[in-house]
Formats: sequence, structure tokens, C-alpha cells
Amino acid sequence: EDKVVQSPLSLVVHEGDTVTLNCSYEVTNFRSLLWYKQEKKAPTFLFMLTSSGIEKKSGRLSSILDKKELSSILNITATQTGDSAIYLCAVVRDNDMRFGAGTRLTVKP
Amino acid sequence: NAGVTQTPKFQVLKTGQSMTLQCAQDMNHEYMSWYRQDPGMGLRLIHYSVGAGITDQGEVPNGYNVSRSTTEDFPLRLLSAAPSQTSVYFCASSYSPLVQETQYFGPGTRLLVL
Repeated sequence: EDKVVQSPLSLVVHEGDTVTLNCSYEVTNFRSLLWYKQEKKAPTFLFMLTSSGIEKKSGRLSSILDKKELSSILNITATQTGDSAIYLCAVVRDNDMRFGAGTRLTVKP
Repeated sequence: NAGVTQTPKFQVLKTGQSMTLQCAQDMNHEYMSWYRQDPGMGLRLIHYSVGAGITDQGEVPNGYNVSRSTTEDFPLRLLSAAPSQTSVYFCASSYSPLVQETQYFGPGTRLLVL
């Protein structure tokens, strides 16, 4: 059965820390992997990864896909309280997406 | 553009009642989908549609029906509500299932089944 597993499930850090969130997957017909940030309402898109080893970067956030290891990481440097959210990983198959359970990140001042 | 709209925002049902969650988009997106989100479980796909007249089941379809008579609308029907269907429901749309970076989520409907 296809699955997407995120770790850790929960993480508490202090402002300025660097965090690494993990996503591993076992799916058929893999197309791409996406990262979303979810605060109080709907998820908002962060990155889409299709090629192994190519880093996507946006400000303090970056992500990379390892197709050999069937995994991806999301890095956040110099964390801020506004980074507190649930981070969701999703894998796109042919016609649908499978989400992981998410990592709840809490950044304390 | 209003994007993806969902109604109602919040609903309380009694076990056995039926209701329809509405979803509409004005972006001419072919692909629409419904997810439910429960604590600690991420988003799980209920049903999806790749175009008007075409629907398919996702990961957790039992207890839900959908139809897609127009490109704009994708309602989700609960036939006989159960407490296990208490959840937050998100509708989403995109140009195609393979272009998910263009996927837009609605604001969600919080459903409580007593």
C-alpha cells in the first residue's frame, strides 16, 4: 500500500534555530513531491520537487529530493515565530496526491 | 477571481442526517478534489474529478458521493452522517492532476456529527 511518512511528528525549537523536516514515501507511479505549510486554515504551497538532487530554495526555506532513498527534506534556517505551523509533504501520483501526517513545528521566542 | 469557495464554513449534524458540502471554483480548472483532515492524519483524499462528468474514488470514499455536472462545481454529499465523519473538509482545484503546484485549496468546512 502506498504511504507517505513524515518525521518528526512534532518539533519545538527556539527562534534562530535551524530545523530539518523529513518525508519518506513508498508510492507507485511517482510524479512529484510537494511541501505545504498549514497555519490555521488551508495549506499553502511551498515547493514542488520532481528531479533528484536539485535544491529548491525560497528565502530561509529549502528542500531537496532524493529519489534513490525515496525521501525529501525541508530545511528552515534562522527560524522565526511565524514559521510555527504544520508542514505537510504530499506525493503526486498519476491522478491524485497522498499526504503525510505532517510535522507540527513550534518556534518559541 | 474568487478562487475556490466552500460553503458552509461550519455545520453540525445529527447521526443519520444527510447534507451537501458545496465547492466552486472560477478558474476554469479541470481537476477538483475533496480531502478530509483529522488530527495527526494529514489530508486524505475522498474523491476527485479530472473534468466535468468524470469522478473517481480516492483513499477514503466510503460514506461520500460526488458529482461533477459542470467544470465549476464539485459538491460532496454525505448520505447518512456518522460521528466518524467529524472532520475538516477541504476542496481543491488545479489545471491538471500533474500540475499540483497550481493547486488551490478552499478555506475548509468544519463538520461536527453528533
